[in-house]
Amino acid sequence: DAGITQSPRYKITETGRQVTLMCHQTWSHSYMFWYRQDLGHGLRLIYYSAAADITDKGEVPDGYVVSRSKTENFPLTLESATRSQTSVYFCASSESSGYGSYEQYFGPGTRLTVT
Amino acid sequence: SQQGEEDPQALSIQEGENATMNCSYKTSINNLQWYRQNSGRGLVHLILIRSNEREKHSGRLRVTLDTSKKSSSLLITASRAADTASYFCATAAAYSGAGSYQLTFGKGTKLSVIP
Repeated sequence: DAGITQSPRYKITETGRQVTLMCHQTWSHSYMFWYRQDLGHGLRLIYYSAAADITDKGEVPDGYVVSRSKTENFPLTLESATRSQTSVYFCASSESSGYGSYEQYFGPGTRLTVT
Repeated sequence: SQQGEEDPQALSIQEGENATMNCSYKTSINNLQWYRQNSGRGLVHLILIRSNEREKHSGRLRVTLDTSKKSSSLLITASRAADTASYFCATAAAYSGAGSYQLTFGKGTKLSVIP
């Protein structure tokens, strides 16, 4: 199916464990983004990518790692999960643009709980 | 970083009434976008208005932009119960180069439409 998918949809993990959240899009969009959504904070950008092998930090990158070896995939890894990383994570993609002029398409989200 | 701030934080109206949400931001923008998020789902793009536009319509949605006041409003006319959701404004910065394709989201307005 065309679109943007995230897996898993729900994840419970323990403090200190490594967790990888997957994101896959079928549109061949150049740009991809990872956000976290927390009550009182809205959406905050963690990392973004302009193309395969090009990634950069967003507003809240600490404790996260990303990679983008293929245009369609943009996994997010929590190297050593902490309780403060309990959140809902959204992946998004967008067509290429010089001014962020295009809409972003969001995945359904991954609800992560760190115990 | 610049950030959109929506007002009010929550809004409750009767079906058939109009709903108005406001967004203020801090620095110059290239465009401003509005998104809707139904409970437990990803964000869905509603409308984009560029900095040189003052008003835009899409179905029952009307968006205005006042760059001199750094504010925007989203009007939903003849609201329906299905419009119940959170609404977010997002701004794209008015500079080129790395990061110019990022969007900065506000914290959202939670709209409840009572049947």
